[in-house]
Amino acid sequence: AQSVAQPEDQVNVAEGNPLTVKCTYSVSGNPYLFWYVQYPNRGLQFLLKYITGDNLVKGSYGFEAEFNKSQTSFHLKKPSALVSDSALYFCAVRDRGEGGGNKLTFGTGTQLKVEL
Amino acid sequence: SAVISQKPSRDICQRGTSLTIQCQVDSQVTMMFWYRQQPGQSLTLIATANQGSEATYESGFVIDKFPISRPNLTFSTLTVSNMSPEDSSIYLCSVKGPEINTGELFFGEGSRLTVL
Repeated sequence: AQSVAQPEDQVNVAEGNPLTVKCTYSVSGNPYLFWYVQYPNRGLQFLLKYITGDNLVKGSYGFEAEFNKSQTSFHLKKPSALVSDSALYFCAVRDRGEGGGNKLTFGTGTQLKVEL
Repeated sequence: SAVISQKPSRDICQRGTSLTIQCQVDSQVTMMFWYRQQPGQSLTLIATANQGSEATYESGFVIDKFPISRPNLTFSTLTVSNMSPEDSSIYLCSVKGPEINTGELFFGEGSRLTVL
């Protein structure tokens, strides 16, 4: 079984400061990892994914994430936060070992609040 | 990325009634996925809908409660039957990107149902 943990329900950051949203995962094989963002009353938008290769993945809106196999983590980062980044962020995993599978398992979400 | 339209965007329903949610995609896709996002919670996969075959339901979800249609490669419906307040959720339609195993999911804006 695959699972995702986002240990923080909410992260507060001052605008201009770096932000980190944490994610750890558990899969039986090697993972495909994803980050999504959900703005109020909207669907989910894809931010970035890790498939293979460089452990640092760059995505939309200046976000990046670092895959750490030994710590089974895939933390989302941004060097300088904007108020407009305030939203709900979801980490998700698909187990590569299930033949790529189709089931994407989501974490519980982290509410990011960026303040002036 | 795919453009996914869902109807209705929101509705208020009476206990015991049923509601059908429509999902239209701007391109032909093999698989469509229906997710549920209960208030303050993460996304849970309800079922995978393939054109020309029965939908595949995840554990805890049954066809009698959530019948799905997939009449062609660009359209699907999810019906929430005999609704109770516990069915109050956002229901999201999604499709996978072109890569067979590594593709991210694209989501509609969601249908927010409130059951009284």
